[in-house]
Amino acid sequence: GAVVSQHPSRVICKSGTSVKIECRSLDFQATTMFWYRQFPKQSLMLMATSNEGSKATYEQGVEKDKFLINHASLTLSTLTVTSAHPEDSSFYICSAAGTANSPLHFGNGTRLTVT
Amino acid sequence: KQEVTQIPAALSVPEGENLVLNCSFTDSAIYNLQWFRQDPGKGLTSLLLIQSSQREQTSGRLNASLDKSSGRSTLYIAASQPGDSATYLCAVRTDKLIFGTGTRLQVFP
Repeated sequence: GAVVSQHPSRVICKSGTSVKIECRSLDFQATTMFWYRQFPKQSLMLMATSNEGSKATYEQGVEKDKFLINHASLTLSTLTVTSAHPEDSSFYICSAAGTANSPLHFGNGTRLTVT
Repeated sequence: KQEVTQIPAALSVPEGENLVLNCSFTDSAIYNLQWFRQDPGKGLTSLLLIQSSQREQTSGRLNASLDKSSGRSTLYIAASQPGDSATYLCAVRTDKLIFGTGTRLQVFP
């Protein structure tokens, strides 16, 4: 079946540094990728929708200058958390789909800890 | 704005019981609805995908139904097992994928 690879699975960084998370679709072309964050014991909150070759659409309340999303190819999207702070510590998950009617496939998530 | 709600928020049952998890959404103009399970600290496992033109999907002990006009979906789990313990999430797809609030299920021996 379709596979989405998300890397890294865990990252610890110091406050003020930037962290890049990669999301790759390994065996299909992902025209759309979604980025989510999840706090403990809560559901997934959509941060932004990324379409290949265009700017990402951010959800209300998500700072686009802080969470930079790039979707430069049909198989790769990246999320960069810039100038990370402890409150950015969370579980970040990407998902990818080929078409609107196809199922979404998810990466295994990245647990970010900012110290 | 699409809002997706799941009831109950938590459920604890002895093994062997048949279970019904509910998902409701406010905007019925969806492409499809997908059910997932999430184990603690892990990613998502897709269980069932129902297209907007479909009424139900089945996989093993799982059956999911969709009533798009009323904005409801149910996930039926037959003969529950301790291994079914997880959080179950529904998600509706439009130009976005919006997740429900989740149901934490515990099945005890």
